[in-house]
Amino acid sequence: DAGVIQSPRHEVTEMGQEVTLRCKPISGHNSLFWYRQTMMRGLELLIYFNNNVPIDDSGMPEDRFSAKMPNASFSTLKIQPSEPRDSAVYFCASSPDSSRASPLHFGNGTRLTVT
Amino acid sequence: QQQVKQSPQSLIVQKGGISIINCAYENTAFDYFPWYQQFPGKGPALLIAIRPDVSEKKEGRFTISFNKSAKQFSLHIMDSQPGDSATYFCAASYSGTYKYIFGTGTRLKVLA
Repeated sequence: DAGVIQSPRHEVTEMGQEVTLRCKPISGHNSLFWYRQTMMRGLELLIYFNNNVPIDDSGMPEDRFSAKMPNASFSTLKIQPSEPRDSAVYFCASSPDSSRASPLHFGNGTRLTVT
Repeated sequence: QQQVKQSPQSLIVQKGGISIINCAYENTAFDYFPWYQQFPGKGPALLIAIRPDVSEKKEGRFTISFNKSAKQFSLHIMDSQPGDSATYFCAASYSGTYKYIFGTGTRLKVLA
């Protein structure tokens, strides 16, 4: 079990640039989550996919944020254009069962710095 | 009503001591209470979880105590070790939903 794989681990970019974060969930998991972690706001759910379909994107802060899941083994979170306040650690997590509360398996995150 | 209140914010314990972290919730629909452990540069990892049909669950040195009437649950780390130094998050969820409500985290430091 390779766990949830995220890339890149670190991303430093300038304000206005496009940023794409990538995630490979655990094979067989049908739920995928994108979270953002900051000191001020803790862990925030950005978007939730079930069986590759976006179910809840109410946590996506602005239209600058978009997420896709073209297949069961890959998801992206894109920020365009990026702003300094987007600096945070972004986590992808997957879960085997959406019908009942089950453990989230987190990746090691992408630390984004926007200058 | 969706909040999970976690305390303390930080905790320093001597090696061999007991670390206790507390969480309180309001929503009685919650039926799954996991604890996550996060080391610097890593994602949160599930440590131990409990459902409200039991009052206590123990896994090695880690114990969850659950008080349904008080709507509180706590994590006890017995014989705390320097390797336990991490940030701990409590969370709550309920069946039929994908949403987890996370506590604000407790930064634990165990002194050697």
